[in-house]
Amino acid sequence: GEDVEQSLFLSVREGDSSVINCTYTDSSSTYLYWYKQEPGAGLQLLTYIFSNMDMKQDQRLTVLLNKKDKHLSLRIADTQTGDSAIYFCAERRDSGAGSYQLTFGKGTKLSVIP
Amino acid sequence: EAGVTQFPSHSVIEKGQTVTLRCDPISGHDNLYWYRRVMGKEIKFLLHFVKESKQDESGMPNNRFLAERTGGTYSTLKVQPAELEDSGVYFCASSPGQGKYGYTFGSGTRLTVV
Repeated sequence: GEDVEQSLFLSVREGDSSVINCTYTDSSSTYLYWYKQEPGAGLQLLTYIFSNMDMKQDQRLTVLLNKKDKHLSLRIADTQTGDSAIYFCAERRDSGAGSYQLTFGKGTKLSVIP
Repeated sequence: EAGVTQFPSHSVIEKGQTVTLRCDPISGHDNLYWYRRVMGKEIKFLLHFVKESKQDESGMPNNRFLAERTGGTYSTLKVQPAELEDSGVYFCASSPGQGKYGYTFGSGTRLTVV
């Protein structure tokens, strides 16, 4: 199919690690992204990973990429209540019109329990 | 630097009316994108401007939608006449290049057609 798939909900306790998973479809995608949307706000770019990488770490965030299985994950260490938000996985696809489009998943709503 | 600014933040209109959404990208960003999220569905690509030219408008749903970017600065997205299924959140984003390191999104305009 053409969808980017994510689970819709995740609930974790404050201080635990959160892992948000995503499967994508286009094996030629060269860049994959994680965006965060807090209530009433826009989409904030958290991180991206290039397809020749397996892992990328940025402070509390770790992105893992399994290109063979087209699986992307975002791990948030020491999850805080401020991490409560919707997290979107997106892949960058060549539209064939001299342009690139982002294809998003439906988003995973992360709820952090104090 | 100022981020991507969209207004209005909310708009409620009746079916058959016209609405114009505006986006001010980050100054100097040649690439400007429109995306929208219809309730319960994925965020979908609408179109991509490079300066004042439409690079890719393959995501525009029908001819009731008209996007412009006169002078290559701000952009408008007009819906005329609006239908119920046009309700959703319309996001604008910009990037200096083709955006492979990610776009900067605005907070979105929530459009409700009643």
